[in-house]
Amino acid sequence: AQSVTQLDSHVSVSEGTPVLLRCNYSSSYSPSLFWYVQHPNKGLQLLLKYTSAATLVKGINGFEAEFKKSETSFHLTKPSAHMSDAAEYFCVVLSGGSYIPTFGRGTSLIVHP
Amino acid sequence: DGGITQSPKYLFRKEGQNVTLSCEQNLNHDAMYWYRQDPGQGLRLIYYSQIVNDFQKGDIAEGYSVSREKKESFPLTVTSAQKNPTAFYLCASSIGPDRLRNIYGYTFGSGTRLTVV
Repeated sequence: AQSVTQLDSHVSVSEGTPVLLRCNYSSSYSPSLFWYVQHPNKGLQLLLKYTSAATLVKGINGFEAEFKKSETSFHLTKPSAHMSDAAEYFCVVLSGGSYIPTFGRGTSLIVHP
Repeated sequence: DGGITQSPKYLFRKEGQNVTLSCEQNLNHDAMYWYRQDPGQGLRLIYYSQIVNDFQKGDIAEGYSVSREKKESFPLTVTSAQKNPTAFYLCASSIGPDRLRNIYGYTFGSGTRLTVV
């Protein structure tokens, strides 16, 4: 069984300040974890993925995520927000017992000038 | 460039009509998926297909139908039995059903927004 919880439905930051989007997961087996970004009326684009290699994963556009097994978390961070980062972000889990991923409900990132 | 093409981008349906959403990929991916997206609910799986001429129901298949006659194509029909079809529909593909290959992620189309008028 697998599940994923995105702890915030909305996150609001000022341009130039750090971004933290939180994700907790549940998985019966060693999971693969992904973060996707969706801009309005667009499809989803892969930001980064964890697949049992390094626990700190670097993605596109300066985003990073750290896999913490003890906390069952995979939080997404960025040191400095840009206006173009405003979008919906989805955390996704794929456990060893499944090939169908489970999506979180999404976190809307709002970036103020 | 390889990718997934969904058409049309916007679609309007009258009550009682069936409509078909197109999804075509040139990535040579074996597996294809249809998701429905509603505000605040994330993505919910409608149908998926691992190989040609085979497909399985997802979590919310009622009122929808699919076919997979070609590897490149996975059209979704929203039937009149779907009572609340207004939503954003996303098609995706992945290399294959094998989990190890699926860890490379999923490629998404740009979506079709369906509205009942």
